[in-house]
Amino acid sequence: EVQLVESGGRQVMPGGSLRLSCAASGFIFGTYSMNWVRQAPGKGLEWAASITSSGTYMNYADSVKGRFAISRDNAENSLYLQMNSLTAEDTAVYYCATGIGYCDAATCPSAWGQGTLVIVSA
Amino acid sequence: DIRMTQSPSSLSASVGDRVTITCQASQDISNNLNWYQQKLGKAPKLLIYEASNLETGVPSRFSGSGSGTDFTFTISSLQPEDIATYYCQQYDHIPPRITFGQGTRLEIK
Repeated sequence: EVQLVESGGRQVMPGGSLRLSCAASGFIFGTYSMNWVRQAPGKGLEWAASITSSGTYMNYADSVKGRFAISRDNAENSLYLQMNSLTAEDTAVYYCATGIGYCDAATCPSAWGQGTLVIVSA
Repeated sequence: DIRMTQSPSSLSASVGDRVTITCQASQDISNNLNWYQQKLGKAPKLLIYEASNLETGVPSRFSGSGSGTDFTFTISSLQPEDIATYYCQQYDHIPPRITFGQGTRLEIK
């Protein structure tokens, strides 16, 4: 069974930093691209970042570019999101997601974690 | 950037009703369009990929159609468990990015 379990979300001060983790199991993690998708309270879904299976290529939404860094450790079956210079607008549930089966992460992410909540507030 | 316009933003219907949600892209996206269901407090669930393909295990009352700029998502006979917010989603390859519609909140009358 495919499982994605996010962790690391908590309340952080504006301007602060936070690192989120996503532990993957049930599939060959190192062969799948991965995404981080976020959802502000009561709002819609926003793709934040993606990384290729080898970790060679990363892409970011304009809203997080230059502040967030996506990375992965295929030996540990783990995905990360380093978030710096956080603002209130970054308050959201952060999901890791990938594509399993016909879909892939870059086109139709079909496997999602339960999310981890980040609150940026003094 | 491609913009996705989803409508309506909210919808109330009765059990057994046919429900339709539309999504319009600001430019031709071929069939690069997916539909998700998100129940309250849960992660999104993929229902339809490439505009009209039903994801494995998804009930056949869900369907999708369209290509180019105009897409439609349909629930043929609304069930109580279909209460959720539904999102369309498109993808670009250059640069690689994913864009979601604004969502449609579906309620039961």
